[in-house]
Amino acid sequence: GAVVSQHPSWVICKSGTSVKIECRSLDFQATTMFWYRQFPKQSLMLMATSNEGSKATYEQGVEKDKFLINHASLTLSTLTVTSAHPEDSSFYICSAAPLGLVPSEQYFGPGTRLTVT
Amino acid sequence: AQTVTQSQPEMSVQEAETVTLSCTYDTSESDYYLFWYKQPPSRQMILVIRQEAYKQQNATENRFSVNFQKAAKSFSLKISDSQLGDAAMYFCAYRRIDNYGQNFVFGPGTRLSVLP
Repeated sequence: GAVVSQHPSWVICKSGTSVKIECRSLDFQATTMFWYRQFPKQSLMLMATSNEGSKATYEQGVEKDKFLINHASLTLSTLTVTSAHPEDSSFYICSAAPLGLVPSEQYFGPGTRLTVT
Repeated sequence: AQTVTQSQPEMSVQEAETVTLSCTYDTSESDYYLFWYKQPPSRQMILVIRQEAYKQQNATENRFSVNFQKAAKSFSLKISDSQLGDAAMYFCAYRRIDNYGQNFVFGPGTRLSVLP
């Protein structure tokens, strides 16, 4: 149990276009989902916290208008990278906190590799 | 703000031997969670072990155990009988215990190599 999926697993897009990444909790409901960015050989950097039915909370330095987050249901959060540029190329990971369970639990998706050409 | 430090960017261990990865953290909270995550080449984050700060007993999961020193704010991971599949990046992480700041604060990671 407690599986989180991400789609797509990798994507290549042209500079100036937008790309959407989906994060789904497959067998549990998640009140909160988190979006991380990971550069090669570096740690995970939290970008934003997404709560179902409300606006996402962005970390300092993360552009809200560039990284649009929507948490429309208890099992789905999306991250849209708008007007992508090569510097947005990175590995994006989501995690989900289950509803009603031990608050320490979070489950990570397998990540999405974004390459902007 | 909480910070997590891992002072060993890289470590290596001989297969079947024991290795200890270091982690220190800084917080003003009295209760919190600490974690070790493993990230293999697939990049899927895998929970290795979790420790609740109010528990005195060190957490253990099969070959993985921690040495939690709350006063020193130290949380090291010991891997016994190392296996080739243990080779990965290991991240130490901190999380507040209340509903605020549910996000993890990750350390910079330690890359562990297991030598046959």
